Amino acid sequence: GAGVSQSPSNKVTEKGKDVELRCDPISGHTALYWYRQSLGQGLEFLIYFQGNSAPDKSGLPSDRFSAERTGGSVSTLTIQRTQQEDSAVYLCASSRPNGIQYFGAGTRLSVL
Amino acid sequence: AQKVTQAQTEISVVEKEDVTLDCVYETRDTTYYLFWYKQPPSGELVFLIRRNSFDEQNEISGRYSWNFQKSTSSFNFTITASQVVDSAVYFCALGPNFGNEKLTFGTGTRLTIIP
Repeated sequence: GAGVSQSPSNKVTEKGKDVELRCDPISGHTALYWYRQSLGQGLEFLIYFQGNSAPDKSGLPSDRFSAERTGGSVSTLTIQRTQQEDSAVYLCASSRPNGIQYFGAGTRLSVL
Repeated sequence: AQKVTQAQTEISVVEKEDVTLDCVYETRDTTYYLFWYKQPPSGELVFLIRRNSFDEQNEISGRYSWNFQKSTSSFNFTITASQVVDSAVYFCALGPNFGNEKLTFGTGTRLTIIP
């Protein structure tokens, strides 16, 4: 597709359940980023993948959060044992080397 | 540590008025990039501009203009003759001047254009 694609667009889950969020970057973009946007807040960096290098996980808020990127393309962000404070919009972006980050429309996660 | 401050949480102006969105940043880096993104109600962040810290020239793109002042660590964004379609949340962001790295975002300014 032409842009960054994220699925699902909305996810409602119960506290304690695991969720998986998917990001399909722009074709040819080697870098992929996950950010979290909580209500009324700016975007908070979570994790960054660049090619085959080890990911920068410095923004992950707890060990319940993990992400992988298969084949240098699609990425999945997994949140285990979800908590209510995990409720937010999770945004994915991709870019070329030293390029501009282009964002998807996000996944709105609601933890009940 | 890097920080971006957008002190204006919400702004409302009547259509056709000019409006300026403020952005102040902090960084220890000598070179860096500054960005503005627009987030319409659909939620997707739309890239507007990237400015290298080497280049302090102001930029104009149609009704949009940007004023970068390194001396005051500010990168303000002005919309001239605002339109209803400009209603959105606008984010200022700061990034390093090398490779691909995370961006540091401000908390955004919600702009409402009143018809």
